[in-house]
Amino acid sequence: QKEVEQDPGPLSVPEGAIVSLNCTYSNSAFQYFMWYRQYSRKGPELLMYTYSSGNKEDGRFTAQVDKSSKYISLFIRDSQPSDSATYLCAMSAQGSNYKLTFGKGTLLTVNP
Amino acid sequence: DAGVIQSPRHEVTEMGQEVTLRCKPISGHNSLFWYRQTMMRGLELLIYFNNNVPIDDSGMPEDRFSAKMPNASFSTLKIQPSEPRDSAVYFCASSLGSGSSTDTQYFGPGTRLTVL
Repeated sequence: QKEVEQDPGPLSVPEGAIVSLNCTYSNSAFQYFMWYRQYSRKGPELLMYTYSSGNKEDGRFTAQVDKSSKYISLFIRDSQPSDSATYLCAMSAQGSNYKLTFGKGTLLTVNP
Repeated sequence: DAGVIQSPRHEVTEMGQEVTLRCKPISGHNSLFWYRQTMMRGLELLIYFNNNVPIDDSGMPEDRFSAKMPNASFSTLKIQPSEPRDSAVYFCASSLGSGSSTDTQYFGPGTRLTVL
């Protein structure tokens, strides 16, 4: 079993839809959870960061972490064509928290 | 700030040739990371430097790969000899502090390497 599993999609939604992106993981030592956005032919950029369990909201984006289920989610409300990108989850453990383990990414297309 | 700068942006080479990828981190950042991204394996950490010192090179695939950071503003990743399976996008990233998870890693645009 891979440490981090992420559905690669592709996911295609109409503009204005609510998008749900998810990752599961197997390493119970993971404490730090991140979502990166990667536009085509660009490097990833940090979108959201969460420590341990709970929710975090930033504008149209909400990150959720459920450590008991080893499951994290990113919700995008009122999705826009500019949200079209690959979304990568990433996580790390205490003590080696520079070492990010990434999911393979989900390709999202928001159609106008 | 110009962000993390990588060169070249694209490299096509033949099997057996030496390849050198270059990275200039964001000025003032103390940590530098080299990653490799492929469809099969996703984004993987190859090596992590802090204050120009290699801290973790456990992700370097084999002895054909080497990385250096001679000063705070420059790093290289070298593959010698290159093989077709090295074809990937190589990213350099830098962060301000000690590389902890609370430090945002800023990625460069990547070098797309094709080994024929």
